[in-house]
Amino acid sequence: SQQGEEDPQALSIQEGENATMNCSYKTSINNLQWYRQNSGRGLVHLILIRSNEREKHSGRLRVTLDTSKKSSSLLITASRAADTASYFCATVLTTDSWGKLQFGSGTQVVVTP
Amino acid sequence: GAVVSQHPSRVICKSGTSVKIECRSLDFQATTMFWYRQFPKKSLMLMATSNEGSKATYEQGVEKDKFLINHASLTLSTLTVTSAHPEDSSFYICSARLTSGGVDEQFFGPGTRLTVL
Repeated sequence: SQQGEEDPQALSIQEGENATMNCSYKTSINNLQWYRQNSGRGLVHLILIRSNEREKHSGRLRVTLDTSKKSSSLLITASRAADTASYFCATVLTTDSWGKLQFGSGTQVVVTP
Repeated sequence: GAVVSQHPSRVICKSGTSVKIECRSLDFQATTMFWYRQFPKKSLMLMATSNEGSKATYEQGVEKDKFLINHASLTLSTLTVTSAHPEDSSFYICSARLTSGGVDEQFFGPGTRLTVL
């Protein structure tokens, strides 16, 4: 079963607005990663946050991690039409030595001009 | 960044035939590669972990005789869908794990869309 659940499942916003999506997971993790997928394409790695980190920034992206609540959030600031995509969180469990990624259910983001 | 390719990008086949999908790490060696399956508007489901020189490790519920995985070199893993049926139609994505120079990251291929008629 999937490790992570994301909400909302879908998000529709206008250009310039911020987009926030959340990811919850079930078991202890080594790190949590966020990926982006354009329709019918492969995945693009956005950002990785380790279990001992609480917040990380990369350009217009801000990721938080709360290990006590087993949750993470991804904030995209000043969204653009090109940000339209599906966003997935993925975790690497502390018990896993292969680095297997357990993906969340995903959030479909639509940014309208 | 590291590049992973998949071939073919799209394949249509008749029910009962076998289809082979290749996953290559183009500019790095990958001891470990992963195969995922994705249904429309759904998340990625890990099918198996492919280890160079050894047998693949399959996730629960994935038929190893149905989905044959071979990782014969450090840059190539193949997934063969044997005796494909319409329910095998899906988007198959591979990733290759890069672990060197303090990096531990997976790089994803662009995916292969399989349609079984």
